[in-house]
Amino acid sequence: GENVEQHPSTLSVQEGDSAVIKCTYSDSASNYFPWYKQELGKGPQLIIDIRSNVGEKKDQRIAVTLNKTAKHFSLHITETQPEDSAVYFCAAIFNAGGTSYGKLTFGQGTILTVHP
Amino acid sequence: SAVISQKPSRDICQRGTSLTIQCQVDSQVTMMFWYRQQPGQSLTLIATANQGSEATYESGFVIDKFPISRPNLTFSTLTVSNMSPEDSSIYLCSVDFWGMNEQYFGPGTRLTVT
Repeated sequence: GENVEQHPSTLSVQEGDSAVIKCTYSDSASNYFPWYKQELGKGPQLIIDIRSNVGEKKDQRIAVTLNKTAKHFSLHITETQPEDSAVYFCAAIFNAGGTSYGKLTFGQGTILTVHP
Repeated sequence: SAVISQKPSRDICQRGTSLTIQCQVDSQVTMMFWYRQQPGQSLTLIATANQGSEATYESGFVIDKFPISRPNLTFSTLTVSNMSPEDSSIYLCSVDFWGMNEQYFGPGTRLTVT
């Protein structure tokens, strides 16, 4: 069935270091992979996404890579800052039964703490 | 950028009662969704709110417990009926403006059932 596995569940880094969060998905037909940042008391914020026709996408200090063969994708944050501290969720779109719009399934989340 | 708002932002309710949560977008959207986020957990899709027709529910969620309305392209409501403490969660609406699978979330409604 539909499944997205996310690792690690917690990640602690020093300010300035890089952080990497990895996700694997089960449905080889998945074609859209967003990443969300959720700060305490707020709704998830879409920070970057990637579609299956590209292997990497960058936006300033964040980047996402996709390996379709291995069915995994990763979020990379460089030069981390304390304000990057939040819960990060990966997700994947699963298209069930040939419908034109798929269901967004989320990973379990990663609590990132950036120490000053 | 468009604004997604939810009302109420939080509530404390007695078991057995019902609460209706509103989601308002300041522009017309193609798709609207409702999610549940249990304490310390990830997000689970409850249903897709369809404009002018019945919502499409995910496995484990039923209309009698979570009735949804979507009277137009900018507004939807989710009702949590006959609440129990297990319904204590954050309820989130999300929207897809362009039908490209990019979902944007509202701020959430934090529900505590006592």
